[in-house]
Formats: sequence, structure tokens, C-alpha cells
Amino acid sequence: ETGVTQSPTHLIKTRGQQVTLRCSSQSGHNTVSWYQQALGQGPQFIFQYYREEENGRGNFPPRFSGLQFPNYSSELNVNALELDDSALYLCATGLAGGWSEQFFGPGTRLTVL
Amino acid sequence: KQEVTQIPAALSVPEGENLVLNCSFTDSAIYNLQWFRQDPGKGLTSLLLIQSSQREQTSGRLNASLDKSSGRSTLYIAASQPGDSATYLCAVLSYNTDKLIFGTGTRLQVFP
Repeated sequence: ETGVTQSPTHLIKTRGQQVTLRCSSQSGHNTVSWYQQALGQGPQFIFQYYREEENGRGNFPPRFSGLQFPNYSSELNVNALELDDSALYLCATGLAGGWSEQFFGPGTRLTVL
Repeated sequence: KQEVTQIPAALSVPEGENLVLNCSFTDSAIYNLQWFRQDPGKGLTSLLLIQSSQREQTSGRLNASLDKSSGRSTLYIAASQPGDSATYLCAVLSYNTDKLIFGTGTRLQVFP
């Protein structure tokens, strides 16, 4: 059973650019959630995908968007990057249903200059 | 609105001590509570998951309890080791949401 993987590990972008982060789901999992973690804070929920559709969204603007593919892998896209978007981006996978344990990937560290 | 608080924010102890980390939440309508470990700059490692109907879970030297009615959970670490040094996060999954709500974590340092 493979775990959750994310790519790239680190990324440096400039303000105004666009970025795409990727997540491969743990085998057998059908939901994927994305979180943003600023330094010294707990992760904040961005959104969740299930059956290739957005299934819940946190308090993030529309320039944060995502995709889930038939193999349950996922992308997080952020347009018009701002300095405050600098953070660790985590994806978590699990099974649909409120009882499911969530498994996190190693994260992508995004720095916006 | 669900809020999660963790106390203490930081803890430094000598090796061998037994530790208690605290987590409190404001809304008791939860599906489950999960404890995670995070090493600096890394992702989250799931330690224990407690369903709302359960009172505690154990894994090795770790024991987590849940008192849903009072909105509290504790993570007990027995015989701490330097390798336990990390940030410990608790998170709850509330009814009618699909998101984990996290506390800000307890940063633990165990020195030899």
C-alpha cells in the first residue's frame, strides 16, 4: 500500500504568478483535501474533492482551485500569487464518510517573493 | 463555529518523563478526533484516531482519551524519548463538515 505523495517538495514563485501543486492519493482512498499551513499555525482547510467534484470549501478566495482525477490524484492551482500565500501546502486522503482517518502527504513548501 | 485549543504551546522535558498534552474543542458534535505528529518542515503523521463513540485509543507508548461532553482530549506519552521531539497537533471532524479543524499544536522538546 503506497502512501500519500506530493510534488514538488519546494517551489519559489514571484507575486502574480500561477502555481500547480500535485498530490497522489493513498491506495483505496477516494477523497482528497487540501490544507494551507502558515508558519507556527495549524493547517487551514482549503477544499475537499470527492468523485472529481468540489465537496466543501474553506475560507479561501476563488483563485484557489483544484481538480481530482479518475485515479483520485489531485491538483491545487493558485492564481495571482500573493506574498501571504507562502506556506506549507498539505494534501490529505481518506474515504468518504465522517469516520474516516485522514492521511497526509509530506507537503509542498511554497515561497512567494 | 468549532474552535480547537491546545495547551501548553511548548514543553521542554528531560528524557524519561511521562507527559500529558491537552486539546479542547468548543462544539461536541464531532465524528472523531485525530492526533498528529509533525516534524519541522514536514507533513503530518497520524498517531491516533478516536471515534466519537470511543473513550480512548492506545498505540505503544501513546494513549489518547476523549471526553466529548466536556470537549476535551488528552494525549499521554509514557517514558518520553528525544525522538519524541516534534509538534503535536490535534484536529476534530465536526458533523456536517468535511474538514478537519486543527489546534495550533504543542511543540515538544525532550532532551537527553
